[in-house]
Amino acid sequence: KAGVTQTPRYLIKTRGQQVTLSCSPISGHRSVSWYQQTPGQGLQFLFEYFSETQRNKGNFPGRFSGRQFSNSRSEMNVSTLELGDSALYLCASSLGGGRGPSSYEQYFGPGTRLTVT
Amino acid sequence: GEDVEQSLFLSVREGDSSVINCTYTDSSSTYLYWYKQEPGAGLQLLTYIFSNMDMKQDQRLTVLLNKKDKHLSLRIADTQTGDSAIYFCAERESGNTGKLIFGQGTTLQVKP
Repeated sequence: KAGVTQTPRYLIKTRGQQVTLSCSPISGHRSVSWYQQTPGQGLQFLFEYFSETQRNKGNFPGRFSGRQFSNSRSEMNVSTLELGDSALYLCASSLGGGRGPSSYEQYFGPGTRLTVT
Repeated sequence: GEDVEQSLFLSVREGDSSVINCTYTDSSSTYLYWYKQEPGAGLQLLTYIFSNMDMKQDQRLTVLLNKKDKHLSLRIADTQTGDSAIYFCAERESGNTGKLIFGQGTTLQVKP
């Protein structure tokens, strides 16, 4: 079974630009979560989508948004990039259906390394 | 709010056992997880434990949970140089969500 894939793997953007990151979950998984990883703040939850609906949201400004498509693929968008948005963005997928422990086993992709200059 | 704490660094000799500790605050957490991250990679799910269990063993990995003290540990038996990585403890937020709250990560250094 193929794992979680994220594209692109690396991205360099300029302050003020916007960026879209993509995540394809494991086949059959309906939940996709996004995390930001930085040396200073560690791993922080951005949002979770389940069946095309945002189910949970972290404490990030409105410049960070996401969506999920009917095939469970997800995208996240960051508008008006700031230097502090430079980070590794990780996507995780799970069954998410609430039926037992395996429903919440989250499998992570390799991440997208975003550098804002 | 919820918080997860870990020590930042652990150094062991190859062949020894490693014990990585974690404390959490949300007593309603139902599942607690251990992830491994190697340089330049995403997070690999190692194991997890349900909150009504005290211990879970999976090959070289043993997870101990002390729910009263909200303390979780991961023991790696016969540690190998390939185990060198950052290990994250995480608790799943209560409710119908997959949101994980992570600790800062413990860097495990295995010396030959």
